[in-house]
Amino acid sequence: KQEVTQIPAALSVPEGENLVLNCSFTDSAIYNLQWFRQDPGKGLTSLLLIQSSQREQTSGRLNASLDKSSGRSTLYIAASQPGDSATYLCAVQGGSEKLVFGKGTKLTVNP
Amino acid sequence: DTGVSQDPRHKITKRGQNVTFRCDPISEHNRLYWYRQTLGQGPEFLTYFQNEAQLEKSRLLSDRFSAERPKGSFSTLEIQRTEQGDSAMYLCASSRDLNYGYTFGSGTRLTVV
Repeated sequence: KQEVTQIPAALSVPEGENLVLNCSFTDSAIYNLQWFRQDPGKGLTSLLLIQSSQREQTSGRLNASLDKSSGRSTLYIAASQPGDSATYLCAVQGGSEKLVFGKGTKLTVNP
Repeated sequence: DTGVSQDPRHKITKRGQNVTFRCDPISEHNRLYWYRQTLGQGPEFLTYFQNEAQLEKSRLLSDRFSAERPKGSFSTLEIQRTEQGDSAMYLCASSRDLNYGYTFGSGTRLTVV
């Protein structure tokens, strides 16, 4: 059974800092991995999708890497801003259509 | 592309009542998914449709839950005889295929009192 773990559970940083969020998964036989952002009481916004054959994806100040063999992904946020404050969720898609999510990392960026 | 729409945004119901939620996926997406999220947890898979066919159901989907997607367009999720444990955010997502990832709606927050 696939399990996804995100560390840390919560993170508080000053504005402008670069930061890394971690995601690990137990079964390396994945089809893709997706990072989402969730604001309080809202739905999920897709940030980056990495196919299993890819090593990384970039969008603006965000960079996500994937090491399938070790079961790890990282989300790097450069020059953090207060507007980046949210919960970040990692999800993997294996042989079936469903996504398996971690519990998320709650990020607070202080002005 | 107007995104995935969910209705209602919030629903408060008394224990024992039936509730129905609606999801309108992105028009060209043939895959539609329902997830449930409780406080402090990641979303958990409930069920999946490809066009009008319901292809996978989680064991979380008890007999009180039923989902439909008539004509492969919008979908409804009905919960009968609601219980307090059903209180959660119900999220709908759609996808074109596995290469494009998921697009989620804003969710329906259910509170059972």
